[in-house]
Amino acid sequence: SYELTQPPSVSVSPGQTASITCSGDKLRDKYACWYQQKPGQSPVLVIYQDNKRPSGIPERFSGSNSGNTATLTISGTQAMDEADYYCQAWDSSAYVFGTGTKVTVL
Amino acid sequence: QITLKESGPTLVKPTQTLTLTCTFSGFSLSTSGVGVGWIRQPPGKALEWLALIYWDDDKRYSPSLKSRLTITKDTSKNQVVLTMTNVDPVDTATYYCAQRLSGFDPWGQGTLVTVSS
Repeated sequence: SYELTQPPSVSVSPGQTASITCSGDKLRDKYACWYQQKPGQSPVLVIYQDNKRPSGIPERFSGSNSGNTATLTISGTQAMDEADYYCQAWDSSAYVFGTGTKVTVL
Repeated sequence: QITLKESGPTLVKPTQTLTLTCTFSGFSLSTSGVGVGWIRQPPGKALEWLALIYWDDDKRYSPSLKSRLTITKDTSKNQVVLTMTNVDPVDTATYYCAQRLSGFDPWGQGTLVTVSS
């Protein structure tokens, strides 16, 4: 079955840029989505179709997808961005979520 | 405004069948391209996709759970129902439903289901 691998954790200083990677075989051939989940809350879609932001998502969230890696970038990271982030893709008639990355804003 | 809400038992015994209902508003599951999916999250663990039903009644299931899952819809009631047979303590999780259009968005609040004797 298809797998998406993310680093368990990423640390970033306020105002700096955080990059979260998501690796999967030929991921460039699939659309990637990204979700933010804060403690005790439901996930929220922050990026879809590799690099599109839903209405209401701040411009500091951006995405890219190339080769076997999709990347979520948070520019000018704020304390409120501290959360778990999950990538997601579609493969062979099944949706797959990544392993998740905890972003800590130090 | 689109909202979804999950309902069902909070405690289920091993080997029993779990039935969860997602009641939604703000969209129609008869609109082309729309789907409703179920995703779960064991305590402290990652998200796991379970199943999805499309506006045209096409259904997709997680390969690892396909034999135990059934997803159905009642368009007139704005509901999607997920059944999971032969539950086990490892099925203890928060179960979410979500609209699927361009990604899963939005999500319901989730319902915690504990499998224990």
